Amino acid sequence: GDSVTQMEGPVTLSEEAFLTINCTYTATGYPSLFWYVQYPGEGLQLLLKATKADDKGSNKGFEATYRKETTSFHLEKGSVQVSDSAVYFCALTKGQAGTALIFGKGTTLSVSS
Amino acid sequence: GAGVSQSPRYKVAKRGQDVALRCDPISGHVSLFWYQQALGQGPEFLTYFQNEAQLDKSGLPSDRFFAERPEGSVSTLKIQRTQQEDSAVYLCASSSYSDNQPQHFGDGTRLSIL
Repeated sequence: GDSVTQMEGPVTLSEEAFLTINCTYTATGYPSLFWYVQYPGEGLQLLLKATKADDKGSNKGFEATYRKETTSFHLEKGSVQVSDSAVYFCALTKGQAGTALIFGKGTTLSVSS
Repeated sequence: GAGVSQSPRYKVAKRGQDVALRCDPISGHVSLFWYQQALGQGPEFLTYFQNEAQLDKSGLPSDRFFAERPEGSVSTLKIQRTQQEDSAVYLCASSSYSDNQPQHFGDGTRLSIL
């Protein structure tokens, strides 16, 4: 079945460091890909998305490119801040209305000043 | 409100009790989803509604779990005869009925079964 695999955490970085969180997927067809972020005590918030191959999603300095050839959607940020500390989830859906999201297990990011 | 609202935020129940969790989606959103998030894991799909119709309940783990959305707006997830393994965060999400529209999540209900 369809699935998402994320790199194991936690990821610990100093402020202004470069961030990469790896995400690969297995899916039939052409899924849409998402990154969600969960801050402590809060619900999931959509960070960015990409709906077709070679699309780049971006938001708040984060970027991810939909790579169909490597079935990947790695999350990157050039300079992290303490406020970026959160759990990041990669997810996919087939894009048909009413299709549930399939999530990875999440990667915890901790940024220190 | 502007977002998805869930209540209660926290629920503690004794094993064997019944619980009811409420979700108030974004106004006008046709699609509503329930997910279960175990500690340290990603959310897992439970069930999906399109308006008042429950179109997919394949993720419900047992017949103790029941969900409804009688008027196509507010939804309730009910768990009967709770077990310790039901302890988790229950997330509700809503979206417009359109391909590729992102789901908007509530803050969740953290359920603890003693």
